[in-house]
Amino acid sequence: GAGVSQSPSNKVTEKGKDVELRCDPISGHTALYWYRQSLGQGLEFLIYFQGNSAPDKSGLPSDRFSAERTGGSVSTLTIQRTQQEDSAVYLCASSPDPALALYEQYFGPGTRLTVT
Amino acid sequence: DQQVKQNSPSLSVQEGRISILNCDYTNSMFDYFLWYKKYPAEGPTFLISISSIKDKNEDGRFTVFLNKSAKHLSLHIVPSQPGDSAVYFCAASNQGGKLIFGQGTELSVKP
Repeated sequence: GAGVSQSPSNKVTEKGKDVELRCDPISGHTALYWYRQSLGQGLEFLIYFQGNSAPDKSGLPSDRFSAERTGGSVSTLTIQRTQQEDSAVYLCASSPDPALALYEQYFGPGTRLTVT
Repeated sequence: DQQVKQNSPSLSVQEGRISILNCDYTNSMFDYFLWYKKYPAEGPTFLISISSIKDKNEDGRFTVFLNKSAKHLSLHIVPSQPGDSAVYFCAASNQGGKLIFGQGTELSVKP
């Protein structure tokens, strides 16, 4: 079956502009996560959606970042008024319901965001 | 405060020999640990995982060992192959939810 897909694969934007990044999780996965990897760094958690529960937004670095998940499937990460430090690879992952004790997360290819 | 640490940024191994990648954690609430492999310009690929109720999990050439008292886990790859060359990340979670990742170790397997 299809894995996690993300679009666009690359995005170059000017400082101050807004960007939207999209994630299509694996069909049937109830949990969806956003991470980012800045140059030379590890993966940093951003936000987590599980079913109809309130999302865990504890990793969002500022109020310029927001995300939504429509219909329990597709998710969009929005960055408003982008700054150069937002440049990173943004990775989306999905997993089955954690209540099943299946905690492996499956990642998409990422969106490379460059803010000029 | 880095809860998951991979202290070796790189490791070079000869083809056919054993690769041992190490990871330390500080949060005793972590109950699930995972290893991911990442090639450039691709997302991380899940390799192997282990629950905190176990001390070893094996899958083909890959074995993960967990030492809870030392808060240490390791990934053994044997025999190592050139195609194993990649960045390896360990990660930890508490009953699912977000993963906390280490900084990664770049493995180079030389023919």
